[in-house]
Amino acid sequence: ETGVTQTPRHLVMGMTNKKSLKCEQHLGHNAMYWYKQSAKKPLELMFVYNFKEQTENNSVPSRFSPECPNSSHLFLHLHTLQPEDSALYLCASSQDNWSLSYEQYFGPGTRLTVT
Amino acid sequence: AQTVTQSQPEMSVQEAETVTLSCTYDTSESDYYLFWYKQPPSRQMILVIRQEAYKQQNATENRFSVNFQKAAKSFSLKISDSQLGDAAMYFCAYRSGDSGYALNFGKGTSLLVTP
Repeated sequence: ETGVTQTPRHLVMGMTNKKSLKCEQHLGHNAMYWYKQSAKKPLELMFVYNFKEQTENNSVPSRFSPECPNSSHLFLHLHTLQPEDSALYLCASSQDNWSLSYEQYFGPGTRLTVT
Repeated sequence: AQTVTQSQPEMSVQEAETVTLSCTYDTSESDYYLFWYKQPPSRQMILVIRQEAYKQQNATENRFSVNFQKAAKSFSLKISDSQLGDAAMYFCAYRSGDSGYALNFGKGTSLLVTP
């Protein structure tokens, strides 16, 4: 596979469940990102990892827990979510997070529904 | 805080015609990058075009060009010879050092292309 892949593509979970979203990039990049995309709102940056180190946590509730075991993989662990957390979760990667010009490559997203 | 404003929630263009999507941004930075991303119905976001703030010449990529007005903090996207495959959400984004190198997105413009 090429580019940025995300699994699962769709996820329905109850508020007491624990689940994880997975992102994998095959581009040799060193920075990875989680974004939340809700209807009629701008994309919200959640977390940034640069060379496996978390460099940004954009005031995200602790019920979202990221993990970056290596530069190619990024996880978002979910527990005790709320219905307002239902959204499209996008993963992205770039060469690194230091250069302004580097393009971010996005995955197809995971459509999360919290019931 | 940096903000990106896309004032047109929806736009429509006929095939082969030209359409311009508007974007304004707010920043006190002198060095930054501006981007237009396209998100087709399949949801994978892709980069359309980018512009460095220091470059006066407007960026062009085939049928896509920008009108960058730095003093007015305006960054519009022109799509010439519109094709059915151009139908998508278009997001304007801004990136600078004082935003932690994070991409700041507008709410998007939904472009409909009619035959």
